[in-house]
Amino acid sequence: DTAVSQTPKYLVTQMGNDKSIKCEQNLGHDTMYWYKQDSKKFLKIMFSYNNKELIINETVPNRFSPKSPDKAHLNLHINSLELGDSAVYFCASSLSGGAIPTGTQYFGPGTRLLVL
Amino acid sequence: GDSVTQMEGPVTLSEEAFLTINCTYTATGYPSLFWYVQYPGEGLQLLLKATKADDKGSNKGFEATYRKETTSFHLEKGSVQVSDSAVYFCALRNTGGFKTIFGAGTRLFVKA
Repeated sequence: DTAVSQTPKYLVTQMGNDKSIKCEQNLGHDTMYWYKQDSKKFLKIMFSYNNKELIINETVPNRFSPKSPDKAHLNLHINSLELGDSAVYFCASSLSGGAIPTGTQYFGPGTRLLVL
Repeated sequence: GDSVTQMEGPVTLSEEAFLTINCTYTATGYPSLFWYVQYPGEGLQLLLKATKADDKGSNKGFEATYRKETTSFHLEKGSVQVSDSAVYFCALRNTGGFKTIFGAGTRLFVKA
């Protein structure tokens, strides 16, 4: 059983297109995250949701819009894709301790996005 | 703000060599400290963690001790294997915060 899954695993698209990445976790966690990892492996937090509420919204172009339909899902929609959006996008989840998330994050396998 | 600094890679070792990857942090309060590992083509996974000063986290032969006096959490392994080749991330999560702060990652290559 996959704990955190993402689809698609690979995404190759043209500049200007709109695309979505989906994430699901079956761990019963209440907090989910999107990270962007560049070619040098640097990991940058983009968004986080706790119980479907946005709690982290880093400096990310507004072409990126997350959506959490329920606690087990966090999707990422990207409008008007640009060359610089090429990266690996990771979804992660964790279990909060009350209102404040604590503890280990569980990562999905990543979505490798290439914008041509 | 909170930050994590880890040694730059890549680190290249021969099999059975001793490994140290340095990690220091800056944080207010009493953060939890983590080492995550990323194998090629995969997502990050927790390697070990420590939640308070002087705690030692250990897993798969790796160890790290939470040193508050030196604000460090260095990763060590006595004898590395080729299968340990991966990128290692030091991270902290502070109480009262929502974010995990990751270091820049250190790539390890182990040669047979």
